[in-house]
Amino acid sequence: RKEVEQDPGPFNVPEGATVAFNCTYSNSASQSFFWYRQDCRKEPKLLMSVYSSGNEDGRFTAQLNRASQYISLLIRDSKLSDSATYLCVVNLSGNQFYFGTGTSLTVIP
Amino acid sequence: NAGVTQTPKFRVLKTGQSMTLLCAQDMNHEYMYWYRQDPGMGLRLIHYSVGEGTTAKGEVPDGYNVSRLKKQNFLLGLESAAPSQTSVYFCASSHRGIPYNEQFFGPGTRLTVL
Repeated sequence: RKEVEQDPGPFNVPEGATVAFNCTYSNSASQSFFWYRQDCRKEPKLLMSVYSSGNEDGRFTAQLNRASQYISLLIRDSKLSDSATYLCVVNLSGNQFYFGTGTSLTVIP
Repeated sequence: NAGVTQTPKFRVLKTGQSMTLLCAQDMNHEYMYWYRQDPGMGLRLIHYSVGEGTTAKGEVPDGYNVSRLKKQNFLLGLESAAPSQTSVYFCASSHRGIPYNEQFFGPGTRLTVL
């Protein structure tokens, strides 16, 4: 069983739409959680960390549900520049980071 | 401030050849990591280091060796390249001991083994 699972998509949404991605993790001992963004043929970059109480950064909202072991990312008012692959990352302990395979998003004009 | 850099950016090897990938960071990070990224697999940790002179195995260490002789450099070696090692390799670094510590990635090395 994979440590982290994501719906690969692709998600194709019109500009201005709201889109949500979910990610599930298998190990209940996981300690910290992140969403990274990866543009085509580029390196991953941190989009936001995910806190237990949920957190928001502009148009982006991240939620964590420890009981159900899933993490979500909500993007409001989608922009063309949001087109990318979004990676869910879980830190089990110390240096054990597990990456999901990514969810592809294309925002259409 | 260059962040994390990787050398080379591209490489083609023949089966059985060896090579070394170099990762350098100028952020004084304690932790460094080597990942590989394959289609449909996500990033997988090969080896990592928590400080100068220390290394440890990750999820997929077989066929690779690493060294961290200087804090700012982390080398990944392929002893005898195999086609299964065709991949994109990313190096990353992070500070030690900070909750929710961000990993900073290099631009990647695209390796093809024929």
